[in-house]
Amino acid sequence: EPEVTQTPSHQVTQMGQEVILRCVPISNHLYFYWYRQILGQKVEFLVSFYNNEISEKSEIFDDQFSVERPDGSNFTLKIRSTKLEDSAMYFCASSPLETATYQPQHFGDGTRLSIL
Amino acid sequence: ELKVEQNPLFLSMQEGKNYTIYCNYSTTSDRLYWYRQDPGKSLESLFVLLSNGAVKQEGRLMASLDTKARLSTLHITAAVHDLSATYFCAVGHQFYFGTGTSLTVIP
Repeated sequence: EPEVTQTPSHQVTQMGQEVILRCVPISNHLYFYWYRQILGQKVEFLVSFYNNEISEKSEIFDDQFSVERPDGSNFTLKIRSTKLEDSAMYFCASSPLETATYQPQHFGDGTRLSIL
Repeated sequence: ELKVEQNPLFLSMQEGKNYTIYCNYSTTSDRLYWYRQDPGKSLESLFVLLSNGAVKQEGRLMASLDTKARLSTLHITAAVHDLSATYFCAVGHQFYFGTGTSLTVIP
């Protein structure tokens, strides 16, 4: 069964550095999402992406964050000037159509980001 | 910001019993999602609910939506150990998540 894959599984970065989290969505999917989950806390939506542009974003997704689909297969989340509070598990998801049309999202296993 | 509350936060129930998890949200929304998360694992989509009175069922789980009351329920029928997980609801285009309900089913 096709899967959403995320790399790396664990990223350790010095505070202030830039980090890129990578995701390969399922190949025929059109909608892509990033979420984060701080350890022991609830899941937080960051951004959704369709047709090469952001379709929705949360208040968390400020100028520090950006997303890109550079080559038609990868979907990346860039975090600039990382802060300690950016430490979290970041999940990527994809769906064949927008979720309101009853299409479930498929999630990757996540990237654990640790900021030192 | 839309606020989403789930209760209970923690639920311990015996196998074979029925129980309901509640998800309340603060402002009108046209969509509500339910997810499951096993400890240390990723999320799994369970249901999408789009209209008042919508009901979805999958196995021992049934979700419903009352948009007028701004309330969704996730009903568990005849619980089994495999249902032990954390269940999240999320509301709206921006996926405002509830705090989650940690369910433990005891043999």
